[in-house]
Amino acid sequence: QSALTQPASVSGSLGQSITISCTGTSSDVGGNYYVSWYQQHPGKAPKLILYDVSKRPSGVSSRFSGSKSGNTASLTISGLQAEDETDYYCSSYTTGSTVDVLFGGGTKLTVL
Amino acid sequence: EVQLVESGGGLVQPGGSLRLSCAASGFTFSRYWMHWVRQTPGKGPEWVSRINHDDGVTRYADSVNGRFTISRDNAKSTLYLQMNSLRAEDTAVYYCARDIWYGSARVFDPWGQGTLVTVSP
Repeated sequence: QSALTQPASVSGSLGQSITISCTGTSSDVGGNYYVSWYQQHPGKAPKLILYDVSKRPSGVSSRFSGSKSGNTASLTISGLQAEDETDYYCSSYTTGSTVDVLFGGGTKLTVL
Repeated sequence: EVQLVESGGGLVQPGGSLRLSCAASGFTFSRYWMHWVRQTPGKGPEWVSRINHDDGVTRYADSVNGRFTISRDNAKSTLYLQMNSLRAEDTAVYYCARDIWYGSARVFDPWGQGTLVTVSP
């Protein structure tokens, strides 16, 4: 099964908002299969920033929000800050597949 | 503090073997499914394997099925990944991750810091 599709890169200016998309199928993102988003700084482990499409774990800034329409989930970061510049990955559990979870290829966010 | 710490990575020749460990602390390890996920530089993570917490049921990605074996020792709060017949394409950072329910949703949280496996002559 193919990985989820994310844009390779996005950019935005300080204080602005950006959106990263994550496209799958009805067997993963499009179904009720627990879409999550992770932030990963170089050399570090992925950190959970959104789960169940739009819920934030304790301690994660409200500047991070999520949504889903059909087979595409989206991560929006508002009020961009310099420390937001890093890699972001989406994930979704799957059904009817040979894997438990699919991940996106990752999006590199550049803050201008 | 909930923590996962991997160890056991290193340089190994093609066809060789390696055993990774993941030491858990700060939570009741025996109550959670656990996963191994790997990631090559510049690419997204790839799910590798999962083991249930109670009945020990396991699952593997096609790319490692028959070569890798996941196991756990609940008494030691430790997860393992035995990797045999290693190939160059197995080169990656290997992470362990806890499978947990947040409300009505499943997530991987936390992840360990990762251990690098390099398969090269």
